[in-house]
Amino acid sequence: AQSVTQPDIHITVSEGASLELRCNYSYGATPYLFWYVQSPGQGLQLLLKYFSGDTLVQGIKGFEAEFKRSQSSFNLRKPSVHWSDAAEYFCAVGASGNQFYFGTGTSLTVIP
Amino acid sequence: GAVVSQHPSRVICKSGTSVKIECRSLDFQATTMFWYRQFPKQSLMLMATSNEGSKATYEQGVEKDKFLINHASLTLSTLTVTSAHPEDSSFYICSAGSGRRYEQYFGPGTRLTVT
Repeated sequence: AQSVTQPDIHITVSEGASLELRCNYSYGATPYLFWYVQSPGQGLQLLLKYFSGDTLVQGIKGFEAEFKRSQSSFNLRKPSVHWSDAAEYFCAVGASGNQFYFGTGTSLTVIP
Repeated sequence: GAVVSQHPSRVICKSGTSVKIECRSLDFQATTMFWYRQFPKQSLMLMATSNEGSKATYEQGVEKDKFLINHASLTLSTLTVTSAHPEDSSFYICSAGSGRRYEQYFGPGTRLTVT
């Protein structure tokens, strides 16, 4: 069965520091992978997605993610975090019928 | 990007009453809309998928008679929580599919509190 695991419930980083959010998936076929960000009062916004090809994917707001099939991972990274990046981040895998399976999310706090 | 709105953003209702949540795609036509439920500190759980003009497809464990979904037009889907109980209190999120694979635009969510 498909599943997505985000091991870190909450992460705190200093502004300007680098960030890595972990995501592991379980999927029988080649996965379609996504990262979304959820800010209060706003809908989930797509940061980036991986369908095929280059395993290092660039997204919006300076985020990138790397697909590692051997590790079943799709970790999200950003070299320098800004205070406005504080939000909830969700990893998701695409399933049949254009549906998503979401992870439980990682809450990011950015301290000055 | 495309905009999806939800109304109301917050609603409080008494136990036993029904409440309707609207989801609108403002600048595109959505043949498919999805309804999710999100518990605090938990993932988004897909409740149902609705296609315009046809009956919704509910996920296993979701009560069809409690969560009525109507997708009457290409820009509007509604979720009605019937005979609401406190355990129905949750954050409900809709998304609208553009037709491209896995391209969904999410609404800001509706916080339902049943007292």
